[in-house]
Amino acid sequence: AQSVTQLDSQVPVFEEAPVELRCNYSSSVSVYLFWYVQYPNQGLQLLLKYLSGSTLVKGINGFEAEFNKSQTSFHLRKPSVHISDTAEYFCAVFGNQFYFGTGTSLTVIP
Amino acid sequence: DTGVSQDPRHKITKRGQNVTFRCDPISEHNRLYWYRQTLGQGPEFLTYFQNEAQLEKSRLLSDRFSAERPKGSFSTLEIQRTEQGDSAMYLCASSRQGDTGELFFGEGSRLTVL
Repeated sequence: AQSVTQLDSQVPVFEEAPVELRCNYSSSVSVYLFWYVQYPNQGLQLLLKYLSGSTLVKGINGFEAEFNKSQTSFHLRKPSVHISDTAEYFCAVFGNQFYFGTGTSLTVIP
Repeated sequence: DTGVSQDPRHKITKRGQNVTFRCDPISEHNRLYWYRQTLGQGPEFLTYFQNEAQLEKSRLLSDRFSAERPKGSFSTLEIQRTEQGDSAMYLCASSRQGDTGELFFGEGSRLTVL
């Protein structure tokens, strides 16, 4: 079985500041890792994914994430956030099925 | 490519009534998933189809819930004898078999049970 833990339910950050959203997972099998974003009143859309290879993956809108197998983490980062990044962010793991974390609400403060 | 569409977007019903949601996946996607999302939670897996076959059902899916995908295209999710605890956003997603995981989500159907 797989599971995902998002350690922060809410993250407020000032515009143009860096941000890190934390995600840890557990699994007894090899997994693929994902970050999805949900803007208000919209469906979830894929930000980035880790399948194999380089542990640093880059996604849309300037986001990136680093896979750390020893720490079973897949933290999401952005060096400078914009107001438009205000949204809910979900980490997900796919082994034999998709499992989502409970989400982190990112609020960018002007 | 029109994306995944769900209907209706919002449904308000009285406790005890039946409701049905429809999902139209991306046309070439043979996998279709249903998730439920409540406030402050991530999407919870309910069930998924590969073509017309329902391959997995979550223990969350009580006997009051039934899902179909009769021709391997659109799917319906029916909830019978709704309860207030069924109030949630019901999300549909689709993907291609063999793709390494990207799910394409619809905008969801929000159910409110009074």
